[in-house]
Amino acid sequence: EVQLVESGGDLIRPGGSLRLSCAASGFPISGKSMSWVRQAPGKGLEWVSVIYSSGTTHYADSVKGRFTISRDNSKNTLFLQMNSLRAEDTAVYFCARNFPEIVVVSVDWGQGTLVSVSS
Amino acid sequence: EVVMTQSPATLSVSPGERATLSCRASQSISNNVAWYQHKPGQAPRLLIYGASTRATGIPARFSCSGSGTEFTLTISSLQSEDSAVYYCQQYNSWPPVTFGGGTKVEIK
Repeated sequence: EVQLVESGGDLIRPGGSLRLSCAASGFPISGKSMSWVRQAPGKGLEWVSVIYSSGTTHYADSVKGRFTISRDNSKNTLFLQMNSLRAEDTAVYFCARNFPEIVVVSVDWGQGTLVSVSS
Repeated sequence: EVVMTQSPATLSVSPGERATLSCRASQSISNNVAWYQHKPGQAPRLLIYGASTRATGIPARFSCSGSGTEFTLTISSLQSEDSAVYYCQQYNSWPPVTFGGGTKVEIK
């Protein structure tokens, strides 16, 4: 059974850094495209980043240069390093496993972890 | 960037009735659209991709039609467990991947 469990969310001051983790089980993340998607309070889903099985990465303009997606295949864990955090980054962050054929369509999702950016 | 616009924002439907949700793309995206269901406090759930292919385990009452810029998600006979927010997503042109703003389906 595929399982994704996010962690690392916290209350952080503007300008701070945070690293989110997504522990995967039931499949090896090394061969999969994985995404981060967020949902701000009262808002809809917003795509954040994707990492392909090849290691190629893409980011939303709103986080480019501040966030970095990566993975540790030995720990079967996906990460999102978040630097220079802003109030508008406040959201629940979901990690997701994508289809191999459609590398940005997310077939399995975690429950999310809450990041609050506030002074 | 492809902008996805969903309507209506909220839909109130009686159990057993049909629910029709719309999604419009700002430019042609062929049939490269997916639909997700999201309930509060839960993980989003993939319903449909490729504009009409149901994901594994999705009931047949969920269907989608459309191509180009106009897409429709239909729930043929609404059940109480279908109360949720529904999002369309385009994957024709990325980055960025873009979602619509969502349609909240309420049970009357």
